[in-house]
Amino acid sequence: GAGVSQSPSNKVTEKGKDVELRCDPISGHTALYWYRQSLGQGLEFLIYFQGNSAPDKSGLPSDRFSAERTGGSVSTLTIQRTQQEDSAVYLCASSLERDRADGYTFGSGTRLTVV
Amino acid sequence: GEDVEQSLFLSVREGDSSVINCTYTDSSSTYLYWYKQEPGAGLQLLTYIFSNMDMKQDQRLTVLLNKKDKHLSLRIADTQTGDSAIYFCAEGLRSQGNLIFGKGTKLSVKP
Repeated sequence: GAGVSQSPSNKVTEKGKDVELRCDPISGHTALYWYRQSLGQGLEFLIYFQGNSAPDKSGLPSDRFSAERTGGSVSTLTIQRTQQEDSAVYLCASSLERDRADGYTFGSGTRLTVV
Repeated sequence: GEDVEQSLFLSVREGDSSVINCTYTDSSSTYLYWYKQEPGAGLQLLTYIFSNMDMKQDQRLTVLLNKKDKHLSLRIADTQTGDSAIYFCAEGLRSQGNLIFGKGTKLSVKP
């Protein structure tokens, strides 16, 4: 596609439920990144994929968070047993490869609200 | 460790220049970036500078890099109301695949 597509754009869920967030990167982009943006906290790195593998999972806040990428394309971020502190905007970005000078292309994000 | 710091708010009048400042701690940065985020949108890359450069100009945007002081700035000339947004500074490190972002500076442009 022309840009990075994320779905849903908004998600309201009850505390304790599981949610899945989807990211469809730009075609041909091998690197894919998930960030979380909370009010006043800037962008918090969650996980990075090179192809289908995730060399760096250090940013995942707890074992309730997991992510996968299949076919070197679409990625899903799953949050199990959601908590109110998980409420944030989850941003996905992709790039042609790691260390690209022109950085990333970001999606518009999924706004997650846990009630 | 890596840390990127920015002031949180800046307010300017339309037509004035805006200068947004950023400091970072890791001297092994390869590239440094400025991203813009408008309300309800993702981040849009504005410009970037390679770490061995000290200045880059792109139309109304001027990026200055002081590598000794680990200080990066973004100057927007003739600031317009459409420039109102949050501006993020980010550094790319040789050792990591991801960019490290600051918390963002919210620029408000008054008519």
